[in-house]
Amino acid sequence: GAGVSQSPSNKVTEKGKDVELRCDPISGHTALYWYRQSLGQGLEFLIYFQGNSAPDKSGLPSDRFSAERTGGSVSTLTIQRTQQEDSAVYLCASSFPTSGGSYEQYFGPGTRLTVT
Amino acid sequence: GEDVEQSLFLSVREGDSSVINCTYTDSSSTYLYWYKQEPGAGLQLLTYIFSNMDMKQDQRLTVLLNKKDKHLSLRIADTQTGDSAIYFCAERGGGSYIPTFGRGTSLIVHP
Repeated sequence: GAGVSQSPSNKVTEKGKDVELRCDPISGHTALYWYRQSLGQGLEFLIYFQGNSAPDKSGLPSDRFSAERTGGSVSTLTIQRTQQEDSAVYLCASSFPTSGGSYEQYFGPGTRLTVT
Repeated sequence: GEDVEQSLFLSVREGDSSVINCTYTDSSSTYLYWYKQEPGAGLQLLTYIFSNMDMKQDQRLTVLLNKKDKHLSLRIADTQTGDSAIYFCAERGGGSYIPTFGRGTSLIVHP
């Protein structure tokens, strides 16, 4: 596809259930990021993947959050035992090395998660 | 940690210029970015500036960087209603691949 895609676009789940959010980056982009955007807040960094290197998980808010990236392409963000405070828009972005090192990010449309 | 600050709201009249301001704390910032987010959409890169530049112009957009004061601004000339959106400033230090984002400035353009 031409851009970053995410699925589902909306997800409503009950408190305590597990959810999986999917991101398809732009083909050839080696870097992939997950962010969380809560109402009225900026972007909260969650996790960063770069090629085959170990991911930077420093932004994950708790051990209920995990992510994987298979084959250096598609990524899945999993939230276990969801809580109401997990309600937010989850954004995925990808980028690629450029000659100038600008590493501009290309964002997907996001998944809006609502925990009831 | 490093911080990026923006005012939360800006209201302008259609046809006027808009200036969105951003301050940051990371003295090692290498790249500074402006993103636009329309309702229900992800962020779209508008422009970026390298830290050794003080100005960059791209059609209606002008970015000014005052590295000494750690101040970045985005000027939109002849603002249109289609420019109504949230604008995010972000910075990235040379040693990091993870940018720090501000909370976003909501630009409201009224006729």
